[in-house]
Amino acid sequence: DTAVSQTPKYLVTQMGNDKSIKCEQNLGHDTMYWYKQDSKKFLKIMFSYNNKELIINETVPNRFSPKSPDKAHLNLHINSLELGDSAVYFCASSPLPGGRVEQFFGPGTRLTVL
Amino acid sequence: GQQVMQIPQYQHVQEGEDFTTYCNSSTTLSNIQWYKQRPGGHPVFLIQLVKSGEVKKQKRLTFQFGEAKKNSSLHITATQTTDVGTYFCGTNAGKSTFGDGTTLTVKP
Repeated sequence: DTAVSQTPKYLVTQMGNDKSIKCEQNLGHDTMYWYKQDSKKFLKIMFSYNNKELIINETVPNRFSPKSPDKAHLNLHINSLELGDSAVYFCASSPLPGGRVEQFFGPGTRLTVL
Repeated sequence: GQQVMQIPQYQHVQEGEDFTTYCNSSTTLSNIQWYKQRPGGHPVFLIQLVKSGEVKKQKRLTFQFGEAKKNSSLHITATQTTDVGTYFCGTNAGKSTFGDGTTLTVKP
């Protein structure tokens, strides 16, 4: 069983469209994250949720809206997609927020905006 | 805010050569974690260091945490083609922060 899963794996769309990426973890973790990895492989945190509550919200355009229906799911909705949104988006989870705990990453969603 | 710098960004080695990536912070870190991302893959946790001056080994990989807990290094002895990938240092204390990664390529 995949610990952290994301759908879709690939997403190709036109500028201006709205799209969503879904993430689910079956590890029983309380904390989930969204990261953006650009073409230079820089890994930047976007959001973090602990038990469905937003705890980290980095300087991300408000076109990006995370939603956590329950602590096993953290979805990412993106409005009015722009060329610069093209990247790989990783979901991750950890048992606790912050602290000395490892993060488990999903396989990533490669978003291409044309 | 807390920042973690990592160098070099790229390293190309011949198989059998050693490799080291360095991680530096301007502030004291409560912990440092290392992750490996294979090409086309996702970051996978390797190890965590929490004590000043700590050294941990995993086969050919040696991880160090500086005495001041502001720097860390990952050293690979006698690289193999299976070592290729991007190595990230990071800390999950407070805000999750990763270095920019070091991408290692190994020429057979």
